[in-house]
Amino acid sequence: GAVVSQHPSRVICKSGTSVKIECRSLDFQATTMFWYRQFPKQSLMLMATSNEGSKATYEQGVEKDKFLINHASLTLSTLTVTSAHPEDSSFYICSARDPLRAVYEQYFGPGTRLTVT
Amino acid sequence: QKEVEQDPGPLSVPEGAIVSLNCTYSNSAFQYFMWYRQYSRKGPELLMYTYSSGNKEDGRFTAQVDKSSKYISLFIRDSQPSDSATYLCAMVSRQGAQKLVFGQGTRLTINP
Repeated sequence: GAVVSQHPSRVICKSGTSVKIECRSLDFQATTMFWYRQFPKQSLMLMATSNEGSKATYEQGVEKDKFLINHASLTLSTLTVTSAHPEDSSFYICSARDPLRAVYEQYFGPGTRLTVT
Repeated sequence: QKEVEQDPGPLSVPEGAIVSLNCTYSNSAFQYFMWYRQYSRKGPELLMYTYSSGNKEDGRFTAQVDKSSKYISLFIRDSQPSDSATYLCAMVSRQGAQKLVFGQGTRLTINP
C-alpha cells in the first residue's frame, strides 16, 4: 500500500523561531500533497494544496507568509511555520495523492505534533 | 451551515454491539464518500469508500450511501475494543480540486 511519512513526529520550539515539517511519499510519486492542521477533538482543517513544481494554493484565512509550503519534488513537500507562536501549537498532518489512483485516494502521514512555548 | 455534518459523540458501546455512524451533507456535487479511522495522535487511515448509492461491505464494516437524502452511514458489526478511535467521514467531488471535505469526526469507545 501507499505510505506517507512525516518528520519530525513531534517538535517543541520557542516562540519566534521557525519549524520545518517534511512530508514524503515513500513508494509512489505524489503530484499533489495536502497540508492539514487538527486541534484537539476537532476535525482536520485543510490549510493548503501543494502541487509539485508550482506555488501552493492556500485556503481562505491561512497566512501564506506564515505557513510556507514547498513541493520541490514528486516525493517531498515541506511546511515551514515561520515565527511560531503558541497559538500555532497543533497537530499537522499531510496527505498525498497518487495520480495513478482515483481522486478519492489520499494517503495520510502520521502527523507532527508542534508545541510552541 | 457546514457542507458535511457529523455528530461528534462521544459514543460508547459494549463490545459486540453494532455501531452506527452517520454523516449528512449539503453539496450534491459530492461523488465519492469515504470513512477514515483515526487513532489518538495518529494520521487518518482510509477504511472504506463508496461511489454510488447503496451498500458496500468489507468484513465487519458496511458503508451505506443514500444520495437522495444526502446521508451516509458506517456500520460496525461485532465491535471490538480495537475499534475504539475517531471515525471521520469525508467527501470529494470531481470539481472540488481533489479536496476532501471532512465531517467533525465521532469519537467511539468500545468497552470490553
